[in-house]
Amino acid sequence: EADIYQTPRYLVIGTGKKITLECSQTMGHDKMYWYQQDPGMELHLIHYSYGVNSTEKGDLSSESTVSRIRTEHFPLTLESARPSHTSQYLCASSRTRTSDEQFFGPGTRLTVL
Amino acid sequence: RKEVEQDPGPFNVPEGATVAFNCTYSNSASQSFFWYRQDCRKEPKLLMSVYSSGNEDGRFTAQLNRASQYISLLIRDSKLSDSATYLCVVRVRRNDMRFGAGTRLTVKP
Repeated sequence: EADIYQTPRYLVIGTGKKITLECSQTMGHDKMYWYQQDPGMELHLIHYSYGVNSTEKGDLSSESTVSRIRTEHFPLTLESARPSHTSQYLCASSRTRTSDEQFFGPGTRLTVL
Repeated sequence: RKEVEQDPGPFNVPEGATVAFNCTYSNSASQSFFWYRQDCRKEPKLLMSVYSSGNEDGRFTAQLNRASQYISLLIRDSKLSDSATYLCVVRVRRNDMRFGAGTRLTVKP
């Protein structure tokens, strides 16, 4: 089992609220990722990080931001949630820049009313 | 056109059946290829990497055809526990993994 955790697992929140989705891994992995997945659809990369103090935007435009102050922690923040942000958010990590296998957390299912 | 295309299914098969999934990718510079499995409302997990020479892991066989930009997954003697969505994943560049939308499989008794 991969040691990657996400909280909360489910979140229902009103429009305009600021939210932070937490992701932590205890495997010492350098690379971490955030994906967005709607039901029955493919995963889309929204952010990734090579390591501490490194963050990059993915191919899907997102109004969220991320930070990587510690290796094990990669939180995602939405300053003002909107109904269009309703989706499943999956965090993942991989060992090194050349390691292809990604280990996924259980996901956060976000509903914005 | 999507970068990674899969037949969405669903594939409904009886136990013991052999089932094959296909996947095509559009970027000829793609470097690595994988099949991930995603159970309902769960996270994706790596099933197997796909090598140019083809590879097998128990009941699962993966094939890659670079000329046709095509990947396949064959499941023999399917079990109830094989029911899941199978995601075709392609690494285009070092940091760029592209996921297909997945093919849903239901194995029935």
